[in-house]
Amino acid sequence: GAGVSQSPSNKVTEKGKDVELRCDPISGHTALYWYRQRLGQGLEFLIYFQGNSAPDKSGLPSDRFSAERTGESVSTLTIQRTQQEDSAVYLCASSLTSGRAPAGQYFGPGTRLTVT
Amino acid sequence: DQQVKQNSPSLSVQEGRISILNCDYTNSMFDYFLWYKKYPAESPTFLISISSIKDKNEDGRFTVFLNKSAKHLSLHIVPSQPGDSAVYFCAASLGNYGQNFVFGPGTRLSVLP
Repeated sequence: GAGVSQSPSNKVTEKGKDVELRCDPISGHTALYWYRQRLGQGLEFLIYFQGNSAPDKSGLPSDRFSAERTGESVSTLTIQRTQQEDSAVYLCASSLTSGRAPAGQYFGPGTRLTVT
Repeated sequence: DQQVKQNSPSLSVQEGRISILNCDYTNSMFDYFLWYKKYPAESPTFLISISSIKDKNEDGRFTVFLNKSAKHLSLHIVPSQPGDSAVYFCAASLGNYGQNFVFGPGTRLSVLP
């Protein structure tokens, strides 16, 4: 497809279970970002990939969160031992990086995670 | 500690008038700023950006102004249209490749017909 896709669109899980969220960026976009948006709050940066390396993991809230990226394509965000406070919409975005000025990010539709 | 602030959670404007959305930041090292628009139940979409070496960038009805000394930027929409009603997020980036975008909490704009 032409845009960023994410799966699943909705995920309900029990507290303590692990979940894996998937992002397919726009073809050719080398930069990939994960964000979290809790109800009524703004976007919270989690992690950034340039290619398959992650130079900035500063936003990951705890060691239960990890992310991988295969080449310059698919990324997965894994949350282990989910907690209720992990409930949020998880957004993935990708962008071209051209020199020093980043292009705008294109967001996927998000995965709504509900931890019961 | 919010590095990017949008102090007005909501704004209402009459159709055809100017909408001015404001954003303040605290980190003088931010070197690139972006505005995103988000409709309910949809993901944010990129709107317009500005580099810290400029003070104005215009794209159709949308103009972003940057005042580095005041650490303030604003988005002007002229003329406002009902379809502009959405939540607008200001974002700032730090670093050579724009990683670690920091987003503000958003301002909900309502354009009244």
